[in-house]
Amino acid sequence: DTGVSQDPRHKITKRGQNVTFRCDPISEHNRLYWYRQTLGQGPEFLTYFQNEAQLEKSRLLSDRFSAERPKGSFSTLEIQRTEQGDSAMYLCASSSDRLADPQHFGDGTRLSIL
Amino acid sequence: AQSVTQLGSHVSVSEGALVLLRCNYSSSVPPYLFWYVQYPNQGLQLLLKYTSAATLVKGINGFEAEFKKSETSFHLTKPSAHMSDAAEYFCAVSALGTGNQFYFGTGTSLTVIP
Repeated sequence: DTGVSQDPRHKITKRGQNVTFRCDPISEHNRLYWYRQTLGQGPEFLTYFQNEAQLEKSRLLSDRFSAERPKGSFSTLEIQRTEQGDSAMYLCASSSDRLADPQHFGDGTRLSIL
Repeated sequence: AQSVTQLGSHVSVSEGALVLLRCNYSSSVPPYLFWYVQYPNQGLQLLLKYTSAATLVKGINGFEAEFKKSETSFHLTKPSAHMSDAAEYFCAVSALGTGNQFYFGTGTSLTVIP
């Protein structure tokens, strides 16, 4: 069990640029989740996948946010035309589909918009 | 729908003193409850979980939590605080039929005073 891996750990970019983050889940986990966490807050759910199917995406923050998991393994989260308010920690988690299985989190990608 | 309320955004205890972090949940169906810990610039680490078995749940690092349905609570305790316990603590709820979607509280920052 190598844990959930996220890349990059930090991303600094100018407003208006596009950014993409990658998440590699625990290999035997078929569910993958994306969260956003702002300072002083708990993680805020964005979207999740079961294998390659994106089963919930209504809580993505705007149409500038999109996520993919093309082969049911790693996932990417893209933010287009970044804004100052997008500055946050983006967390990825994975789990099995067993009832009540806990989610295992990566260390996150911290995004800073200049 | 599910939600979590964590009373007390900041808690300070002396080293060796009892730690009590409060969590109240709301759920229209039997909940699954989790406590996570987060250290600076890291992801969330699972401390313990309740999944309808024993109401007193023991976790890692000497933490435990008791599920009280009548009070809709799942408070986290540790008999004796250690300096290394200083961190942010999050309570989360999920339930059957939610796709294992977690709803997190806003967190409690624990300070341990030497």
